[in-house]
Amino acid sequence: EDQVTQSPEALRLQEGESSSLNCSYTVSGLRGLFWYRQDPGKGPEFLFTLYSAGEEKEKERLKATLTKKESFLHITAPKPEDSATYLCAVYSEGTSYGKLTFGQGTILTVHP
Amino acid sequence: KAGVTQTPRYLIKTRGQQVTLSCSPISGHRSVSWYQQTPGQGLQFLFEYFSETQRNKGNFPGRFSGRQFSNSRSEMNVSTLELGDSALYLCASSLGGGSDTQYFGPGTRLTVL
Repeated sequence: EDQVTQSPEALRLQEGESSSLNCSYTVSGLRGLFWYRQDPGKGPEFLFTLYSAGEEKEKERLKATLTKKESFLHITAPKPEDSATYLCAVYSEGTSYGKLTFGQGTILTVHP
Repeated sequence: KAGVTQTPRYLIKTRGQQVTLSCSPISGHRSVSWYQQTPGQGLQFLFEYFSETQRNKGNFPGRFSGRQFSNSRSEMNVSTLELGDSALYLCASSLGGGSDTQYFGPGTRLTVL
C-alpha cells in the first residue's frame, strides 16, 4: 500500500527566511506526485505535478523537486500570505483509478 | 474556466438522517473523485466516477454511496448519519482519472449532531 510521510508537521518561519518541506513516499511505481496548498476551511489548491525523478517545477516563491524516494517544496523568501497547510499526494501504478494517497500535511506559519 | 463547485457549503444534520452532496466538475473533466477530510485521518479517498461508472471505491461502509450523471456532475449520499461522519467532504475533478492532476472544490462541511 502506498505511504506518504511529510515533515516537519509544523514549521514557523520569519518573513524572508527560506526553508524546505519534505515529502517521503513508498509506492509501487510512482506515476505522479502532487503538491497542494490548503487554507483553513477551504479545498486544496493545486500547486505542482511531478512525474519523474529529477523533475523540477517553479511558481513564484515555490519550487518543487523530485527524487526516487522523496520530494521537496522549497520556499524562498516567504511572506505571511504563504501561511497554509501544504499537502503532498501520490498516484502509483499499484493504485486504482482516481485515488490519491495524501500525507498528513505540513502547517506553515510565516510571521511578519 | 470555472473551477469545481460544491453545494451546499455547510450542512448540519442529526444522527440517523441522510444527506446528499453535489459536485460540478470543471468543464471537460470526466473523472470525479470524492474525499473525506478529518483532523485525525487527513484526506481519505471515498470513490471515483468516470462516465457514470464507479471505477474505484475506498474503505468506507456501504452507507456512503455516489453516482455520476451524463454531464459529469456527481452526487454523494450518506445514509444513517453517525457522529463520526462529521467532516469536510471534498470532490476533485480531472480529465480522465489516473495520473491526471485533480482539482478540488471548496468542500462541504458536514456537522452531525
